[in-house]
Amino acid sequence: KNQVEQSPQSLIILEGKNCTLQCNYTVSPFSNLRWYKQDTGRGPVSLTIMTFSENTKSNGRYTATLDADTKQSSLHITASQLSDSASYICVVSVYGNNRLAFGKGNQVVVIP
Amino acid sequence: GAVVSQHPSWVICKSGTSVKIECRSLDFQATTMFWYRQFPKQSLMLMATSNEGSKATYEQGVEKDKFLINHASLTLSTLTVTSAHPEDSSFYICSAIRTGGSYNEQFFGPGTRLTVL
Repeated sequence: KNQVEQSPQSLIILEGKNCTLQCNYTVSPFSNLRWYKQDTGRGPVSLTIMTFSENTKSNGRYTATLDADTKQSSLHITASQLSDSASYICVVSVYGNNRLAFGKGNQVVVIP
Repeated sequence: GAVVSQHPSWVICKSGTSVKIECRSLDFQATTMFWYRQFPKQSLMLMATSNEGSKATYEQGVEKDKFLINHASLTLSTLTVTSAHPEDSSFYICSAIRTGGSYNEQFFGPGTRLTVL
């Protein structure tokens, strides 16, 4: 069964601090892994997409890593801002059918 | 990036009425769109795959007669919740596949909040 597990479920961080979110998956066959940011009441917005051969990708203050051997990914947020408060969803694409396996998200709250 | 819109962004309706939600890909053509439902603090749950010019494919447990999907053009898919009941209240999100490039990228709409009284 294709599963995506994220940890921690939620965290609170001080503005300006860094944090790292974890994602483990068992999706097969693997196509690519994506991190999305979802603000409350909004649709997910893509942050990064990584294929099998990519092990890191950055988008501004967001840096994602991928270890396809251990089937783990992380999303690092540098110098957090209040606007980073959101749910961060790890999504793995199944090869060949466009289907996506979603994690439940990491709920991040940045406080001043 | 590519833009996917949804309309309306929120709707409140009485129990027993039908509600139509539109999903449009604004700057690309999409032969495939997806409809998701999301409950509070839960992940997105795939309801159905909308295929342009053919019938939608529904996930197990999703009633096709209750959630009518029409994908009449390459830029528009509609989801109609028929005879809505309070348990249908949820956040409905569509996505559209943009093909080409090294992989097919899926872009999400902003979502539609449905509240059934």
